[in-house]
Amino acid sequence: GAVVSQHPSWVICKSGTSVKIECRSLDFQATTMFWYRQFPKQSLMLMATSNEGSKATYEQGVEKDKFLINHASLTLSTLTVTSAHPEDSSFYICSASNQDTQYFGPGTRLTVL
Amino acid sequence: GIQVEQSPPDLILQEGANSTLRCNFSDSVNNLQWFHQNPWGQLINLFYIPSGTKQNGRLSATTVATERYSLLYISSSQTTDSGVYFCAVAWGGSEKLVFGKGTKLTVNP
Repeated sequence: GAVVSQHPSWVICKSGTSVKIECRSLDFQATTMFWYRQFPKQSLMLMATSNEGSKATYEQGVEKDKFLINHASLTLSTLTVTSAHPEDSSFYICSASNQDTQYFGPGTRLTVL
Repeated sequence: GIQVEQSPPDLILQEGANSTLRCNFSDSVNNLQWFHQNPWGQLINLFYIPSGTKQNGRLSATTVATERYSLLYISSSQTTDSGVYFCAVAWGGSEKLVFGKGTKLTVNP
């Protein structure tokens, strides 16, 4: 139980385009999901908290207009990287809480050319 | 905010050896989790352990909340144990996890 999926697992896009990443909790409902970013050989940094039915809350320094988050249902949150640039290339990971424990998706590797 | 420090940053073992990884944190926590990140980037839950001791096969963990540290023990290590081990904590009643920088474990055959 407590499985979180992400799609796509990797994506390559051109600079200036937008990319949408989906995060799904497969066998439980999650009112709160989280989005993290991980640069090579570094730790995970929390970007934002996704709340079902309400606006996401962003960590300091994260541009909310660049990283659009939608949590339309209790099992789905999406992160859209708008007008992507090469510096947005990173590993994006989502998580969802189930009974005090956070479970993580497999991550999405974004490369912006 | 809370500080999370993991040690050692790197650890190289021969297969069969035992190891202890440490996580120190600077404030009281309401959540502490240990993860193993495999070479493909997947974070695998090892333990939810804000206090006390747990064991799961060759792995065990102990958190001494009053002294603000947690230990992850790996016994009889295998090559498949290689990867980065992260400690992450939540504090102040929040669900948000703050990650340490990780311990990179390499187990050689």
